Amino acid sequence: GAGVSQSPSNKVTEKGKDVELRCDPISGHTALYWYRQRLGQGLEFLIYFQGNSAPDKSGLPSDRFSAERTGESVSTLTIQRTQQEDSAVYLCASSFSGTSPWETQYFGPGTRLLVL
Amino acid sequence: GQNIDQPTEMTATEGAIVQINCTYQTSGFNGLFWYQQHAGEAPTFLSYNVLDGLEEKGRFSSFLSRSKGYSYLLLKELQMKDSASYLCAVRDSAGPGATNKLIFGTGTLLAVQP
Repeated sequence: GAGVSQSPSNKVTEKGKDVELRCDPISGHTALYWYRQRLGQGLEFLIYFQGNSAPDKSGLPSDRFSAERTGESVSTLTIQRTQQEDSAVYLCASSFSGTSPWETQYFGPGTRLLVL
Repeated sequence: GQNIDQPTEMTATEGAIVQINCTYQTSGFNGLFWYQQHAGEAPTFLSYNVLDGLEEKGRFSSFLSRSKGYSYLLLKELQMKDSASYLCAVRDSAGPGATNKLIFGTGTLLAVQP
């Protein structure tokens, strides 16, 4: 596709429910990243995919958070038993290979998650 | 630890020049990025520095001093559409086997006034 797309663009859920967020990276991009942006804060790294593998999950805040990637394309971020502190914008980014120092990460528009 | 500092807010006048500073302390360094983010939109790439010095791209320039852990973004001939958040980010590791993740500052919200 022309750019990184994410769905849904907005999600309102009740505390305790599970949510699934989707990311479609730029076609051909091997590397995929999830970040979280809480109100008034900088982007926080969550997880990095190289192909379908996730060599770095160090940013996932708890075991309620998980992510997978299939076909070296689409990725889903799942949050189980959502809490109010999970409210944030979840941003996905992709880059060509993830191995070149000068490589640019291209971001999607994000999913705005509100947990009531 | 990892720390990226930049001013929270700045105001400037249309047609003027503004400099947004960023200082960083990270465990490693493999490049510094500047992104622009309009409210409710995706961050878009502006510039990249890995060596000391100035990189110029039209109205936007970015400077890096690795020894000082310092960068700035210079915006010239400001336009109203430049009102946005400007995000400074450092890649602390790179290459095969590395994460290549970006560590972001909180962003600087720039308001351009007529």
